[in-house]
Amino acid sequence: AQSVTQPDIHITVSEGASLELRCNYSYGATPYLFWYVQSPGQGLQLLLKYFSGDTLVQGIKGFEAEFKRSQSSFNLRKPSVHWSDAAEYFCAVGLYNQGGKLIFGQGTELSVKP
Amino acid sequence: NAGVMQNPRHLVRRRGQEARLRCSPMKGHSHVYWYRQLPEEGLKFMVYLQKENIIDESGMPKERFSAEFPKEGPSILRIQQVVRGDSAAYFCASSPSSGRLGAGELFFGEGSRLTVL
Repeated sequence: AQSVTQPDIHITVSEGASLELRCNYSYGATPYLFWYVQSPGQGLQLLLKYFSGDTLVQGIKGFEAEFKRSQSSFNLRKPSVHWSDAAEYFCAVGLYNQGGKLIFGQGTELSVKP
Repeated sequence: NAGVMQNPRHLVRRRGQEARLRCSPMKGHSHVYWYRQLPEEGLKFMVYLQKENIIDESGMPKERFSAEFPKEGPSILRIQQVVRGDSAAYFCASSPSSGRLGAGELFFGEGSRLTVL
């Protein structure tokens, strides 16, 4: 069965430091890959997505992610974290021909310290 | 995201009562999805609807839960005879299409948080 794993439940980084959030997936083919961010009490906002082509994807708010087929990973990165980046981050897999039926990881909560 | 409207934002029910959650998709979107987020967990797919049709309900519990998306009006997620385990945030999302470009091009509402006493 398809699955998405985010190994880190909670990460704390200092403001201005770099960030990498890990995501691994299990799927028989190349899926569509997404990162969403959720602020407390809010809905989800799409940060970036990968369908095909260039494996380094740029998103909003200075985030990027790299698809590595050999590692079944799609890690999210940001070179310099801002306090406003504190939120919950979800990696998700979309399946071919299944529209918006996404499989989400458990989420990684990001805290930013001054 | 503000384009997908969900109400109520918060709902409190006692065990055995019914809960009705409403979702109006973004203008021009004809595909609606419902997801459930239990505490400390990620979102889990429940159901995918188009106007007057249920396309995929593989994530819906077999009993007490139903969903509809009528020709006119919002999509409704209905939970009958609620139990404490139904306490969760229920998110609606919409998309303009179901193909590759629709995959993941979901616009989420702010969710309806159900608390069952």
